[in-house]
Amino acid sequence: DTAVSQTPKYLVTQMGNDKSIKCEQNLGHDTMYWYKQDSKKFLKIMFSYNNKELIINETVPNRFSPKSPDKAHLNLHINSLELGDSAVYFCASSQASEQYFGPGTRLTVT
Amino acid sequence: RKEVEQDPGPFNVPEGATVAFNCTYSNSASQSFFWYRQDCRKEPKLLMSVYSSGNEDGRFTAQLNRASQYISLLIRDSKLSDSATYLCVVKSLSGSARQLTFGSGTQLTVLP
Repeated sequence: DTAVSQTPKYLVTQMGNDKSIKCEQNLGHDTMYWYKQDSKKFLKIMFSYNNKELIINETVPNRFSPKSPDKAHLNLHINSLELGDSAVYFCASSQASEQYFGPGTRLTVT
Repeated sequence: RKEVEQDPGPFNVPEGATVAFNCTYSNSASQSFFWYRQDCRKEPKLLMSVYSSGNEDGRFTAQLNRASQYISLLIRDSKLSDSATYLCVVKSLSGSARQLTFGSGTQLTVLP
């Protein structure tokens, strides 16, 4: 009965690699998000998608690209990974006010 | 100035204590306000919304002062299970989208 799921839960990779994180929600929500939480625990929005249209795109590097094949999925692809990309990435979805978060993907770039 | 600022914490309190967290926000056009809770190495979860008239949910009381752009959370009779990071969250309009902005969180540890 998982509402928002992410894979993988942990990702360890080397600098320069390309990786993807997948997110799925079974809540029927219209809007999905990606957040980054850094080592200082500050949670910052990266992207959101509403009905497959990008509606927020914060000042993140263009190495990050969200891809939404359908309303229930919002994947995050990262090119040329850098040390500073190490963080926990949370997917979330919402219909009205409350956002439901996935369990997070802990990315470590070595 | 950060859009949402919280007490730096951490707060270490004994069981049964009353503890209060404060939060200020800079965008006067902010529309909605929330407190989220995040347990260690877990995802954030909605604790409660914050209404202009103030609202209570069991041991938790949230208050909003729009004039001062100030939000508070009061926890009475704290339990060990209240130990977590409490995130002040503000919803505002960004272009055509409603966006949540999170504070950096206040860590609470309730001690036996």
